[in-house]
Amino acid sequence: DVKVTQSSRYLVKRTGEKVFLECVQDMDHENMFWYRQDPGLGLRLIYFSYDVKMKEKGDIPEGYSVSREKKERFSLILESASTNQTSMYLCASLDRTNTGELFFGEGSRLTVL
Amino acid sequence: KQEVTQIPAALSVPEGENLVLNCSFTDSAIYNLQWFRQDPGKGLTSLLLIQSSQREQTSGRLNASLDKSSGRSTLYIAASQPGDSATYLCAVRNSGNTPLVFGKGTRLSVIA
Repeated sequence: DVKVTQSSRYLVKRTGEKVFLECVQDMDHENMFWYRQDPGLGLRLIYFSYDVKMKEKGDIPEGYSVSREKKERFSLILESASTNQTSMYLCASLDRTNTGELFFGEGSRLTVL
Repeated sequence: KQEVTQIPAALSVPEGENLVLNCSFTDSAIYNLQWFRQDPGKGLTSLLLIQSSQREQTSGRLNASLDKSSGRSTLYIAASQPGDSATYLCAVRNSGNTPLVFGKGTRLSVIA
């Protein structure tokens, strides 16, 4: 089974802190994604990556950056956390070469105080 | 720009009923369509994936259909159970390299 692992299920940070959300997949997928999910707004794409060291902005990249130094790991970075970044963050990995199926991690619930 | 709509936003049914969840999309030139389930506070679990060349996919009590020309997909759940209570999301992809576009989901409650 494909496994997408998000390192932290729950985080509480203070305004202005730098926050790292880590995501690792074990199936050698090239494409990885970061979404945030908020009530009433659904899933919104923050950033995605087609390969190592490649990144593309999604619909709401402001206030975020990403890092993809290794194929299996895709990190989301909040340079200076703000209260409006309190949300559920979901990482996903795409099996583009075979089924085209998208697999998600368990999510990271971030609260910024 | 592709838009995905799921109606209704919430649905409550008694246990044992068969039910249909609806998904519509504005651009019919899709690559594939995927249905997910999400339990509260958790990530999304893939249920069914339909390629653009397929009309339906089945897994156990679940059957998903795709009508590209009308921009619609349905998820049929047979003999619903309380354990089916969750939010169901539909997502479409327009090409092999583009991200999925998600609907906002239908929150299903199956009452025992």
